[in-house]
Amino acid sequence: GGIITQTPKFLIGQEGQKLTLKCQQNFNHDTMYWYRQDSGKGLRLIYYSITENDLQKGDLSEGYDASREKKSSFSLTVTSAQKNEMAVFLCASSPRTPSSYEQYFGPGTRLTVL
Amino acid sequence: GDSVTQTEGLVTLTEGLPVMLNCTYQSTYSPFLFWYVQHLNEAPKLLLKSFTDNKRPEHQGFHATLHKSSSSFHLQKSSAQLSDSALYYCALSDRCSGNKLIFGIGTLLSVKP
Repeated sequence: GGIITQTPKFLIGQEGQKLTLKCQQNFNHDTMYWYRQDSGKGLRLIYYSITENDLQKGDLSEGYDASREKKSSFSLTVTSAQKNEMAVFLCASSPRTPSSYEQYFGPGTRLTVL
Repeated sequence: GDSVTQTEGLVTLTEGLPVMLNCTYQSTYSPFLFWYVQHLNEAPKLLLKSFTDNKRPEHQGFHATLHKSSSSFHLQKSSAQLSDSALYYCALSDRCSGNKLIFGIGTLLSVKP
């Protein structure tokens, strides 16, 4: 088995601040994902990456940057935190193909912007 | 485009009663359907996945049947337990979505004694 680690677990930022969230996986999976979880809105894809140094935009990429430094790690940057923003950011990974493979999720980073 | 619809945001049940959480989808290609479960303060994890040979997937007493005629993959369990209280997501992937899962908005199941 493997595990996905997300750091930090809780992140408190100030309005306008640039904030970085990190994700590591030891499944040796090719594909990694960043989702934003908001109550009543489901899981919305921000960015994903099918291999090292690859980046693909999801439906919610505006206001975010991502970086896939190596196969095992995938970082997400909130470019300018919005006041009173609260959300959970989930990282996930999966084997590249086919589309029948499940995704494995990390425990999440909870963001609060003051 | 592809989409997943979960019509109930919150389902409240008494322990021992049957569970049915609705999921319908739109897909151009033959999709794979998934149910994920997320308990409080935990990561979402896979509960069930549809099979290509139309077998009915089952896990922890839950089952779901892919009905292509009605584009549905409802989650069912004969008798709810307190520990079933969680957030349930239905999701879809197909040739069009590629590596991506398309998620519904989620249904919060609350089981009371």
